[in-house]
Amino acid sequence: EAGVAQSPRYKIIEKRQSVAFWCNPISGHATLYWYQQILGQGPKLLIQFQNNGVVDDSQLPKDRFSAERLKGVDSTLKIQPAKLEDSAVYLCASSPISSNTEAFFGQGTRLTVV
Amino acid sequence: AQKITQTQPGMFVQEKEAVTLDCTYDTSDQSYGLFWYKQPSSGEMIFLIYQGSYDEQNATEGRYSLNFQKARKSANLVISASQLGDSAMYFCAMREPPGYSSASKIIFGSGTRLSIRP
Repeated sequence: EAGVAQSPRYKIIEKRQSVAFWCNPISGHATLYWYQQILGQGPKLLIQFQNNGVVDDSQLPKDRFSAERLKGVDSTLKIQPAKLEDSAVYLCASSPISSNTEAFFGQGTRLTVV
Repeated sequence: AQKITQTQPGMFVQEKEAVTLDCTYDTSDQSYGLFWYKQPSSGEMIFLIYQGSYDEQNATEGRYSLNFQKARKSANLVISASQLGDSAMYFCAMREPPGYSSASKIIFGSGTRLSIRP
């Protein structure tokens, strides 16, 4: 079974530029999560999709961050414009709807804003 | 609001010794799930073990066991016979029960960095 795929693995951009991350979850997983993990901290949930609908985006900075999940499969997370404090690893995860299962994580995208 | 607390930022343990990583949680729900993940320096999040709030037995997976004390709201991870490869960040996480959206989210603690000495 293929795991969660993310790209790119690394990205360096200047502040005020825009950037996009892509995630392909495990086939059949209805729930998709985007987490932001700042160095030395635990992952913070940015947005959660169930199929192609948003179920939680309470911690997404909506003035600069956006995300979509077209057709309930792949997802993209965009930052525009980026700030220095956005430097972090962006983790995508997916899980079945069942509430007693773990989330499966991708390798993450390490973003550096200079 | 639900919350996960890991009070040990870092720990050093001698190889082959057992180690306990602490985790406490706060929730008013009766139904929830608790997880532990390992994150090596390479960055991937590796699932280790799961405990459901209604499970009467402590979960075990190989060298990993979860010491679940529901009344104390603690879910400590025990690693027996530690190995050099166990050096990593360890995160405790909780899955909240489904709400109006019928989906549940997973929240994480701040993590514990475990270093195994040879």
